[in-house]
Amino acid sequence: GAGVSQSPRYKVAKRGQDVALRCDPISGHVSLFWYQQALGQGPEFLTYFQNEAQLDKSGLPSDRFFAERPEGSVSTLKIQRTQQEDSAVYLCASRSRGAGETQYFGPGTRLLVL
Amino acid sequence: DQQVKQNSPSLSVQEGRISILNCDYTNSMFDYFLWYKKYPAEGPTFLISISSIKDKNEDGRFTVFLNKSAKHLSLHIVPSQPGDSAVYFCAASGLVQGAQKLVFGQGTRLTINP
Repeated sequence: GAGVSQSPRYKVAKRGQDVALRCDPISGHVSLFWYQQALGQGPEFLTYFQNEAQLDKSGLPSDRFFAERPEGSVSTLKIQRTQQEDSAVYLCASRSRGAGETQYFGPGTRLLVL
Repeated sequence: DQQVKQNSPSLSVQEGRISILNCDYTNSMFDYFLWYKKYPAEGPTFLISISSIKDKNEDGRFTVFLNKSAKHLSLHIVPSQPGDSAVYFCAASGLVQGAQKLVFGQGTRLTINP
């Protein structure tokens, strides 16, 4: 079956611009996660949804970052007034049920803020 | 503070030999551990996992060992193949409610030489 898909794959933004990154999880997966991966580092947790409920947003670095999953499937990560330090790969992962199940990752969106 | 550490940024192994990748963690609340493999411009791909009730899990050429007292896990790949060349991340999570996110190490770049 289809895996996790993300769009766009690459995004170049001017500093101060708003961006929106989309994640389509595996069909039927209840849980959805966003991670940020800086160059040469491991992914770092941003936020977690169970269905449409955002249960953990402790990793969002500032109030410029906002995520939603209004119908419990597709999710959007929005970054307002982008800064150069926001340049990273943004990864989305989905999981079928609860903890103890594997998270499956999409290919990521590479964001470059100039 | 880095809760999951992969102290070797890179590892080079001859084809056909054993590759051993190591990972240490500090948080005793972690009880579920995973290894992911990542090729350039792709998302992490799940390899193998282990829960803290076990000390070994095997899947084909891949075996993960967990030493809870030392807070250490390792991934053994035998025999190593050129297609195994990638960056490997270990990740840890909790099975308790509210500990859903994965915490990643910095990654180890494995190169298999023909």
